[in-house]
Amino acid sequence: EPEVTQTPSHQVTQMGQEVILRCVPISNHLYFYWYRQILGQKVEFLVSFYNNEISEKSEIFDDQFSVERPDGSNFTLKIRSTKLEDSAMYFCASRPAATYNEQFFGPGTRLTVL
Amino acid sequence: AQTVTQSQPEMSVQEAETVTLSCTYDTSESDYYLFWYKQPPSRQMILVIRQEAYKQQNATENRFSVNFQKAAKSFSLKISDSQLGDAAMYFCAYRSNVGGNKLVFGAGTILRVKS
Repeated sequence: EPEVTQTPSHQVTQMGQEVILRCVPISNHLYFYWYRQILGQKVEFLVSFYNNEISEKSEIFDDQFSVERPDGSNFTLKIRSTKLEDSAMYFCASRPAATYNEQFFGPGTRLTVL
Repeated sequence: AQTVTQSQPEMSVQEAETVTLSCTYDTSESDYYLFWYKQPPSRQMILVIRQEAYKQQNATENRFSVNFQKAAKSFSLKISDSQLGDAAMYFCAYRSNVGGNKLVFGAGTILRVKS
């Protein structure tokens, strides 16, 4: 069964460094999402992406964040200058079509900022 | 903006018994979708069940069923014949059918299953 994959599973970085979190959505999916979950807290929406552009973003998704679909298969989240409060689990999700409701989640990347 | 509230931070159930997890939401929309996701210790998000707001019939998936009360904006999850593998964090989520497709999650309920 096709699934969303994410790499790395765990990323440790120093405050102020740039990180890129990578996702490979399911191949025929058209809608892509990033969510994050700070330890012990709820899952929060960051950004949605469709047709090579951002369709919606949350207040969390400020200028330090960017997303890209560089090669038609990968979907990346870049954090330019990480802060301690960026430490969280980051989930990628994808959805096949406008009429399909379920978002399929990847296993997540745990980001630790020291 | 839509909000989702899960008022039970933690619940316990005996193996083979039934447990109900509560969820309420706030919205001014009439067309939307509701979901329950399970997050085991691996932290993978797994869809348990979905409900379309326009459907009056409550969704059922094997041992999992929902009680959807649209007027009350309530969406509870019932787990029958609980199993040890059901132990996890459960999130209720809302998705609008207008504009953005994001999921809005509740704070989650930890379910513990006792043998």
